[in-house]
Amino acid sequence: GAGVSQSPSNKVTEKGKDVELRCDPISGHTALYWYRQSLGQGLEFLIYFQGNSAPDKSGLPSDRFSAERTGGSVSTLTIQRTQQEDSAVYLCASSLGEGDTQYFGPGTRLTVL
Amino acid sequence: AQSVTQPDIHITVSEGASLELRCNYSYGATPYLFWYVQSPGQGLQLLLKYFSGDTLVQGIKGFEAEFKRSQSSFNLRKPSVHWSDAAEYFCAVGGSGGSNYKLTFGKGTLLTVNP
Repeated sequence: GAGVSQSPSNKVTEKGKDVELRCDPISGHTALYWYRQSLGQGLEFLIYFQGNSAPDKSGLPSDRFSAERTGGSVSTLTIQRTQQEDSAVYLCASSLGEGDTQYFGPGTRLTVL
Repeated sequence: AQSVTQPDIHITVSEGASLELRCNYSYGATPYLFWYVQSPGQGLQLLLKYFSGDTLVQGIKGFEAEFKRSQSSFNLRKPSVHWSDAAEYFCAVGGSGGSNYKLTFGKGTLLTVNP
């Protein structure tokens, strides 16, 4: 079946603008994750959704970052008032359930000018 | 807090040579361990995983890894490297207890394969 998909694949924005990144998980997967991959920090966990439970937002770096998951499927990661240090590849993953193998999407490369 | 160390930032091998990529982890309980591979411009692909049981695990593309609890290691091996194996490799640890979904990744090892 189809894997995790993310859009856009690339996003260039100006400092101070808001951006939205989208993730479509594998059908039937109840768990969804966002990670950030940057040169300086490597791969970092951002946020986790599992079913109807409250998300684990412990990895979000600031209150400019937020995410939601509608209908237990598609997720949107929003970054407000983008800064240059937000430039990174944002990866989404999904798994069948909590603790199961995570399958990653191709990522969205965000460049903040 | 859990952590992963991949001591080698960049490794170069000749095609057909054997390969071992090192991974050391720190975790207070029984870890879940993973190796992922990332080709340029691509997402992460799972090579193999260890949850429990046999400490030698087989993965895709001819890779294997061995969990050694006494050494806190989970090294990735391949007996004969192919040019298509050139990529970046990430070791990751997840917990078997609470918050087991939070993967902590190493910084990655970039593999170059010479013809």
